[in-house]
Amino acid sequence: DAEITQSPRHKITETGRQVTLACHQTWNHNNMFWYRQDLGHGLRLIHYSYGVQDTNKGEVSDGYSVSRSNTEDLPLTLESAASSQTSVYFCASSDVVTDTQYFGPGTRLTVL
Amino acid sequence: DQQVKQNSPSLSVQEGRISILNCDYTNSMFDYFLWYKKYPAEGPTFLISISSIKDKNEDGRFTVFLNKSAKHLSLHIVPSQPGDSAVYFCAARDFGNEKLTFGTGTRLTIIP
Repeated sequence: DAEITQSPRHKITETGRQVTLACHQTWNHNNMFWYRQDLGHGLRLIHYSYGVQDTNKGEVSDGYSVSRSNTEDLPLTLESAASSQTSVYFCASSDVVTDTQYFGPGTRLTVL
Repeated sequence: DQQVKQNSPSLSVQEGRISILNCDYTNSMFDYFLWYKKYPAEGPTFLISISSIKDKNEDGRFTVFLNKSAKHLSLHIVPSQPGDSAVYFCAARDFGNEKLTFGTGTRLTIIP
């Protein structure tokens, strides 16, 4: 069955370290998204991609970057982790056929 | 500026009764609305959607109502079941745009 996976599921890191969160989907969807979920804020869009080599900033993109070298993967990199980036991160994918976004299980990131 | 608002952080409903979750939006360009359900330690899952050309959409126990003039939508669950206990997110999208804007979520608890 097609699916969307995220790794790691849990990560603890230190302030200033570079961290990369993986997202892999086997739906063959063109669109991929990264969100963070924080209490009182719901899900906020970090970055998104509409296809290979395409990346765009979302509403909370500062301190994050993404790259899209193939259809299946959209890794999210925190260049220099900050305590404010402690959150739960969700990856999602979609295309015009599905007309909705399918989410991965999430990565809980703690920055100490 | 919160373009999608869920003003009730939590809601408790007796099993078998109707649950009504509310959502307001401010962006008049939104033309497609979705509800997602989220269990702890899992990613959000799509529940039901509605296009702005409709005012009601039903799927089994779930019905979404859209009042465009009031910029308000609601999700009705009837009858409510214990498995419906979860956080519910309202989301909106504007025409030609695959990005979703999410509300802050409402935690629904069904009391047996």
